[in-house]
Parts: sequence; C-alpha cells; structure tokens
Amino acid sequence: SQQGEEDPQALSIQEGENATMNCSYKTSINNLQWYRQNSGRGLVHLILIRSNEREKHSGRLRVTLDTSKKSSSLLITASRAADTASYFCATDERGNTPLVFGKGTRLSVIA
Amino acid sequence: KAGVTQTPRYLIKTRGQQVTLSCSPISGHRSVSWYQQTPGQGLQFLFEYFSETQRNKGNFPGRFSGRQFSNSRSEMNVSTLELGDSALYLCASSLDQGGYNEQFFGPGTRLTVL
Repeated sequence: SQQGEEDPQALSIQEGENATMNCSYKTSINNLQWYRQNSGRGLVHLILIRSNEREKHSGRLRVTLDTSKKSSSLLITASRAADTASYFCATDERGNTPLVFGKGTRLSVIA
Repeated sequence: KAGVTQTPRYLIKTRGQQVTLSCSPISGHRSVSWYQQTPGQGLQFLFEYFSETQRNKGNFPGRFSGRQFSNSRSEMNVSTLELGDSALYLCASSLDQGGYNEQFFGPGTRLTVL
C-alpha cells in the first residue's frame, strides 16, 4: 500500500528555476527519505530526515518535514537539465516496518 | 566499494514459466529488500531479508518467494508467471533494518512476460 503521496505528479520548469515537490503521508513515521530515479534505472538516495528534524540541506537540495501536517517538501534550487528524473518520497512507520514509497513526481528541466 | 548488483538485467519469459532473480548487496550490508515497479502501481514492497531471515513481506501472492544466503546475497523467485508480472524488479541493500537507514538500489531486472 502507498504511504506517501507526491504532489505534483509532473512538473516542468526551465533550467535555473527552483523545483518544489511535496509529499504527504498517513501514519507516524521514524524517518522520511527522498530518492531520485532516472528513466528506468535504480533509485538513488538523496536525503533522509528523521522525525525529530524539521529541515535538512544537501548541496542544492533542501528538505523540510512537518510531522503535525504529515508532510514533507523537497526543494531543488537552480535546477539543471541533469535533474530531470522522477523523485520519490519514502517513509517507514514506527516499528519494524519496511520503506514504503509514493508514486513519485516526474520533473522535467528544460535547457 | 562495489554497488548493488542484480542479474540478469533483462529477461523475457512466457506465461506459466518461473524465474529467479539475483541480488548481491554492498559488502557489509545485512538487509536486502525487493521491490516491484510498474507504471500503474509504482514501487511495491515485496519482501525484506535480514541475516537470512525474512523480516517483512508485502502483499503479493505466494508465487513470489525469496531467500537470503549466509553471504547476504539474495534471490527472488516467481513461479507460474502471469502477464501482470512484467515489471522492473529492484533490489536494495542497507546496513541494518530496511526502513531506518538509507537504501542502496541496484539497477534492476527488467522482466517481460509474454
């Protein structure tokens, strides 16, 4: 079953613009992770934010987590054509549970 | 360190056949998880193995099974293949419990069932 749900489903922007993707989830979580997938390939881990953290940065990536609203956002600043990919959020519920992925946001960055 | 490897990368089978996919995790990783990815359903969790024991199982029929060996390598098997089993099968490894740490994914095995 899907825990996280990304919004929007698809996003198209110009190179240099910022891209924001949102993720909502249903239950209490230990952590929330963001992954990127280039067309038909394996997923690459981007960032992990624990439930007691509110914001995390990694290079051009900024992730926020609002546990009261059960939502997270991923911001990619100064986007590049190489950022074109699908982005997934994934959560693990409290306890011994596997990672559950949303359906992803397809980002297209146009040069 | 070498990444997660999956073999084969591509596979074509016919309905009713069975298939075995293999995954070698990153050295030192004890947890291996399997996912099925399709355009309609997205990434669906199949199962997770940790130190040769199945720790979690997703909502898939019994035709889907797996195992993990003492060297942490894992295999998954699908028997009596159906058209709907066509998908990208992804394996991921992590140091410990699958959900608590970042997972490292292999390139996947693209299975086509005719």
